[in-house]
Amino acid sequence: DIVMTQSPLSLPVTPGEPASISCRSSQSLLHTNGYIYLDWYLQKPGKSPQVLIYLGSNRASGVPDRFSGSGSGTDFTLKISRVEAEDVGVYYCMQTLQSRTFGQGTKVEIK
Amino acid sequence: QVQLQESGPGLVKPSETLSLTCTVSGDSINGYYWSWIRQPPGKGLDWIGYISYSGSTNYNPSLKSRATISVGTSKNQFSLELTSVTAADTAVYYCASLGRAVAGTYYYYYIDVWGKGTTVTVSS
Repeated sequence: DIVMTQSPLSLPVTPGEPASISCRSSQSLLHTNGYIYLDWYLQKPGKSPQVLIYLGSNRASGVPDRFSGSGSGTDFTLKISRVEAEDVGVYYCMQTLQSRTFGQGTKVEIK
Repeated sequence: QVQLQESGPGLVKPSETLSLTCTVSGDSINGYYWSWIRQPPGKGLDWIGYISYSGSTNYNPSLKSRATISVGTSKNQFSLELTSVTAADTAVYYCASLGRAVAGTYYYYYIDVWGKGTTVTVSS
């Protein structure tokens, strides 16, 4: 089984400042087709999750360009270039290479 | 855009079968992939499985064959059955549609549209 580990688990942020979340997998998420099998989701307070990034670095439709995904092999990062108040919530990475497994989640809140 | 609504009993007894239905509106259920995800109280997300438009399925191995996802094309619905439930199965259950992207010569499926979720409690 592929285990996903996120850090930090809690991230206080300042509006207008950048923020980043790390996600590590226990095995490489590089598929034989050359793509990274990793997604990022955000669950805003009291809401259903929403997709932000798929295939490691592709922003989903309607996702602001302040969100970006990067990484290779087993180390991945979600970056927010300038945090806005509406970005608070819990962020999850999820591997899709073998079955599907979510990370534990990173709670982002305003300082 | 497609919309999804979960329905089913909010309370299930231990050892019994949990049955949920997801009603799809705004598009046909045909030609897409559909998934179930759950979230225990105060915890993170747990993927249950998905079904393709052709009926092929893929499940979380940790559920040890207790889960079955099926499609009922006549009513634009798909369903989840989870057998032999215990208190550990208490969670908010979400249904979702999968979006499709191209990855080389493959199709890649990601969780795209989510329902609002329904709470299921396992208790006697």
